[in-house]
Amino acid sequence: ELKVEQNPLFLSMQEGKNYTIYCNYSTTSDRLYWYRQDPGKSLESLFVLLSNGAVKQEGRLMASLDTKARLSTLHITAAVHDLSATYFCAVGLSNTGNQFYFGTGTSLTVIP
Amino acid sequence: ETGVTQTPRHLVMGMTNKKSLKCEQHLGHNAMYWYKQSAKKPLELMFVYSLEERVENNSVPSRFSPECPNSSHLFLHLHTLQPEDSALYLCASREWGRSNTGELFFGEGSRLTVL
Repeated sequence: ELKVEQNPLFLSMQEGKNYTIYCNYSTTSDRLYWYRQDPGKSLESLFVLLSNGAVKQEGRLMASLDTKARLSTLHITAAVHDLSATYFCAVGLSNTGNQFYFGTGTSLTVIP
Repeated sequence: ETGVTQTPRHLVMGMTNKKSLKCEQHLGHNAMYWYKQSAKKPLELMFVYSLEERVENNSVPSRFSPECPNSSHLFLHLHTLQPEDSALYLCASREWGRSNTGELFFGEGSRLTVL
């Protein structure tokens, strides 16, 4: 079974600082997704990365994908309190069509 | 309504009860999913229905029974549950095909408590 690991699991950072969340996965995949979940809410799609070297940016968040290293990163630039949430990466397996596997999630708290 | 709608949002049931969770998607997608989200655990894929085929996680107990009568509706039938089944159950849908991004769209979830 595909394993998806995120680190760190918990991250507390001050406003204005930069940090990176890492997502490693155990088998070949060409589809990597990042989601955000606010407390008591559902998951919201942030980024879709579909090829090696893909980079997507939205506001203070930037995601990248290295399929050879089986690694995706979510970089946070100059964090603000509104970014406090849990972030999940998810991997889709092409050979099994519709199956998605999620990482353990990274709980981010941005301190004013 | 738009997106993915789940009902009920909250459910409390005893171990001998039978209940069902309902999910409806208004996005025209061709695949629907059930996920279980427990505290401090990764999201667990339970069932996938796509193009009239079903994929299931073999570790899901038989007390959970899915039903997908059409591409827009998905049910999760619950019977003789255990307290450890208490969790947030998330429904999601997506359009599967090589020409699209295939991201999952989630409902708000059904928070289940088993007493």
